[in-house]
Amino acid sequence: DTAVSQTPKYLVTQMGNDKSIKCEQNLGHDTMYWYKQDSKKFLKIMFSYNNKELIINETVPNRFSPKSPDKAHLNLHINSLELGDSAVYFCASSPRLAGEYNEQFFGPGTRLTVL
Amino acid sequence: KNQVEQSPQSLIILEGKNCTLQCNYTVSPFSNLRWYKQDTGRGPVSLTIMTFSENTKSNGRYTATLDADTKQSSLHITASQLSDSASYICVVLSGGYNKLIFGAGTRLAVHP
Repeated sequence: DTAVSQTPKYLVTQMGNDKSIKCEQNLGHDTMYWYKQDSKKFLKIMFSYNNKELIINETVPNRFSPKSPDKAHLNLHINSLELGDSAVYFCASSPRLAGEYNEQFFGPGTRLTVL
Repeated sequence: KNQVEQSPQSLIILEGKNCTLQCNYTVSPFSNLRWYKQDTGRGPVSLTIMTFSENTKSNGRYTATLDADTKQSSLHITASQLSDSASYICVVLSGGYNKLIFGAGTRLAVHP
């Protein structure tokens, strides 16, 4: 299946721990993104990468560190987890960095719960 | 401040009925406006993308309109089906680097 996949789908952890979420796309896209969907259901951009290069960093705490080993993967590592980090995290990809009809395809989401 | 506001927050309709969802935005610079459907526990899926010069676009039973002068958009769903139950999110692309600004969504429930 061609898609954007994320692992794990659910992640429950204690405050203070470090965790990672992985994302892979096999669509051949150049650009990948991380979004956070909070309890009010707003999706907000966190990061975008284009061909492994960081493009957007939306004032996210530096406890969040994205890593793109190649253009098909964009992982998200979170240090010292806090209660407020509990949310659903979505990975997405698009064919290119910009363009009016540049469609973004979303993964299924990772629900992170910090206890 | 860039904002996308949607109404109503939630909506219940009977199967087979039509409905219209509203979106107002204050986003600058404006590139295009998108409607996404998000099923519970899933990622958003694109329904339509409209640029500044387009004022209507259809995708099956979904028809989106855009008034760039008043900065308003609507999504009309015709002959609703149970599978239309989902959140519908209005999204505006701002600037050149594909930065999407999301509304909070309208949660639609279609009942038999």
